[in-house]
Amino acid sequence: ETGVTQSPTHLIKTRGQQVTLRCSSQSGHNTVSWYQQALGQGPQFIFQYYREEENGRGNFPPRFSGLQFPNYSSELNVNALELDDSALYLCASSLMRDNEQFFGPGTRLTVL
Amino acid sequence: AQKITQTQPGMFVQEKEAVTLDCTYDTSDPSYGLFWYKQPSSGEMIFLIYQGSYDQQNATEGRYSLNFQKARKSANLVISASQLGDSAMYFCAMREAQGGSEKLVFGKGTKLTVNP
Repeated sequence: ETGVTQSPTHLIKTRGQQVTLRCSSQSGHNTVSWYQQALGQGPQFIFQYYREEENGRGNFPPRFSGLQFPNYSSELNVNALELDDSALYLCASSLMRDNEQFFGPGTRLTVL
Repeated sequence: AQKITQTQPGMFVQEKEAVTLDCTYDTSDPSYGLFWYKQPSSGEMIFLIYQGSYDQQNATEGRYSLNFQKARKSANLVISASQLGDSAMYFCAMREAQGGSEKLVFGKGTKLTVNP
């Protein structure tokens, strides 16, 4: 059973640029959630995808967008990067309404 | 309003001793789930234990147990026989329904240090 993987591991961008982060869900999981974890904070929910549709969104601006593909892998896109976007971005996969979300190792994004 | 409160920014424990990490929550939903995750310095969130609001007994998973006091809205994590590898950040989280999705709402975490 393959766990959740994320790429890249680390990323450095400058303000105003765009970034794409990728997540491969655990085998058999049809739901992917994205979280942003700023330094010293708990993760904050960005959005969730279920069967290729966004079905829930946290308090993040539209420049945060995503996709889910037929194999249930997912992308998080962030446009017009700001310094405050520097954070660890975590992807979690699950079966919808299952008790447990399995997290990937995260992508650490630094915006200069 | 903060829905998950972890009041201990840092905790220290001696190896082989037990430690309790505090978590209180706030919800008006009669059905909810509570989770504890461990986050080592590598960043990955590792699931430890789950407690459903209707579960009659406190959850246990190996050295981890959850002291669930529903009336007090608390869900404290107890780690028995601490090991050096338990040093990490620990997050309490609550599952919350939002539209068609179910998201996790996390507390700010507690940094646990296990001393030899």
